[in-house]
Amino acid sequence: QKEVEQNSGPLSVPEGAIASLNCTYSDRGSQSFFWYRQYSGKSPELIMSIYSNGDKEDGRFTAQLNKASQYVSLLIRDSQPSDSATYLCAAPNMEYGNKLVFGAGTILRVKS
Amino acid sequence: ETGVTQSPTHLIKTRGQQVTLRCSSQSGHNTVSWYQQALGQGPQFIFQYYREEENGRGNFPPRFSGLQFPNYSSELNVNALELDDSALYLCASSSDPQVTDTQYFGPGTRLTVL
Repeated sequence: QKEVEQNSGPLSVPEGAIASLNCTYSDRGSQSFFWYRQYSGKSPELIMSIYSNGDKEDGRFTAQLNKASQYVSLLIRDSQPSDSATYLCAAPNMEYGNKLVFGAGTILRVKS
Repeated sequence: ETGVTQSPTHLIKTRGQQVTLRCSSQSGHNTVSWYQQALGQGPQFIFQYYREEENGRGNFPPRFSGLQFPNYSSELNVNALELDDSALYLCASSSDPQVTDTQYFGPGTRLTVL
């Protein structure tokens, strides 16, 4: 079983819609979770981190964490074409000394 | 404040050769992590260096080795290159080795093994 799983997509949404990105993780001991955005040909950029169950909002982005279900999601409100990118979910894994393990990423396409 | 830099940008090698990739961490950062990102995949953790010592390693063979220098810059060395080593190699620096500390990624080195 992969440590962090994401639907590869692509997820296509119209401009102005809400994009919902999902991620599941296997290490029940994980306490912190991260969402990175990666534009084609560029390096990942951190956009959100979340440590507690519930929602965390930052501008148009909301991260949601449910530790009981081992599930993390990222909502992007009022999606813009500039949000088109690959979104990577990451969580620490004890097998690697509590270092970050990334999912394969979900490709998001926002159509204008 | 300078960001994370990596060199070279692109590199082409043949099977069996050795390669050295370099990373300069962001000013004030003492921790460097290296990742391998194959096409269509997420970054895979190779190892981390903290204050010149290896501080965690992923599932990579010993032919992947590294160094960190007193100025906290770092090198990734790969011996006996294989075709599957073709990937984007990313380094990320942070001010603390704790996983909760924000990592800042460099632009990456694209390695092609023929």
